[in-house]
Amino acid sequence: QSALTQPPSASGSPGQSVTISCTGTSSDVGGHNYVSWYQQHPGKAPKLMIFEVNKRPSGVPDRFSGSKSANTASLTVSGLQAEDEADYYCSSYAGRDTLIFGGGTKLTVL
Amino acid sequence: DVQLVESGGGLVQPGGSLRLSCAVSGFTFSNYYMTWVRQAPGRGLECVAKIRPDGGQAFYVDSVKGRFTISRDNAKNSLSLHLNSLRVEDTAVYYCTREDWWHLDWWGQGTLVTVSS
Repeated sequence: QSALTQPPSASGSPGQSVTISCTGTSSDVGGHNYVSWYQQHPGKAPKLMIFEVNKRPSGVPDRFSGSKSANTASLTVSGLQAEDEADYYCSSYAGRDTLIFGGGTKLTVL
Repeated sequence: DVQLVESGGGLVQPGGSLRLSCAVSGFTFSNYYMTWVRQAPGRGLECVAKIRPDGGQAFYVDSVKGRFTISRDNAKNSLSLHLNSLRVEDTAVYYCTREDWWHLDWWGQGTLVTVSS
């Protein structure tokens, strides 16, 4: 299975909203509602931010939201804050017990 | 609190072997799939190996099949990854993760494996 496609970078000013896309195929993103998003700060382990397309784990601010349309999933960060600057990775179930990731998007808060 | 603590990383020569361990606490280990995820320096994430809750079946990414072996000891709340025939391209931080319905909800801090002569 090929990796999911994410833009390498995204940016926004404090208080603004930014959306990161994650494009796959009908075999992964489009075929299942098992899309998740992870935040990774430099030198740290990734942290789950969104699972099953649009669900937030306990403790994740509601400024983070997820959605999906056809073969593309999206992560939206509203009311950008400085601490949101990080790398973001999407992931999807791809059938046959396989989980695949996107290449990652570096989010910069200007 | 849920905790996953990896150990066993280090510097190894190409062709060498290493055993990574993950000590788990804070949840019923035997109820969950467990997955090893790696991240090469400056690169993205890759699921390397996964094991069923009962340890009865394991899954591997093609690039490590026949070289890596994942195992678990539910009595000791412990997960392992045996890395054999290591290659330079296996250099990465290896994370122990808990998998719950196709998302990885808890991660260890990672352990660095460096394959170099």
